[in-house]
Amino acid sequence: DQQVKQNSPSLSVQEGRISILNCDYTNSMFDYFLWYKKYPAEGPTFLISISSIKDKNEDGRFTVFLNKSAKHLSLHIVPSQPGDSAVYFCAASGLYGGTSYGKLTFGQGTILTVHP
Amino acid sequence: GAGVSQSPSNKVTEKGKDVELRCDPISGHTALYWYRQSLGQGLEFLIYFQGNSAPDKSGLPSDRFSAERTGGSVSTLTIQRTQQEDSAVYLCASSSRRLTVTDTQYFGPGTRLTVL
Repeated sequence: DQQVKQNSPSLSVQEGRISILNCDYTNSMFDYFLWYKKYPAEGPTFLISISSIKDKNEDGRFTVFLNKSAKHLSLHIVPSQPGDSAVYFCAASGLYGGTSYGKLTFGQGTILTVHP
Repeated sequence: GAGVSQSPSNKVTEKGKDVELRCDPISGHTALYWYRQSLGQGLEFLIYFQGNSAPDKSGLPSDRFSAERTGGSVSTLTIQRTQQEDSAVYLCASSSRRLTVTDTQYFGPGTRLTVL
């Protein structure tokens, strides 16, 4: 039962353009969402998060949008840079209890390639 | 300061043997998590420790898997009678969890386990 899904295994964009990575979830108990970035042979590193009381959170070139009714979130990277090439994982957790409390449930990841 | 470290970085073992994987969390972090990433899959939660509380073992896939955390610091994940489906990258993460479950989880580089 895949509770967090990233349906695009890969995405290729040109440097300077926008990258949009998508994520869908099924568990309505999730109320905190994160994006992690992973380079080969390294552990994932935290990128940006959003709680369910918001629909947008921005940090520099990175913006996360949350659509609770659609159970969908997306990560926008503008402008994309070659150094952004990595695997991006979306993750979800429960803030207020339940079986998801404090634990992260991850999607399968999307490989982003930014071409110079 | 030092990040999360894991050892060994790679482990090749024969089916049926036991293996131990080690995680050194960031000093002072009270929460420690184990995840694994099988080929083509997202990160799968295994177990987490928070301070002196009983660990949440809800993600362990079978009773061949166990973990302990000694002195609230170093953790060891043990897999007994390894099977080929145990082949994966095992990732450890830690967080401060002083105030909220949203405290960022910092990941180690992982141990790549191959069961022949």
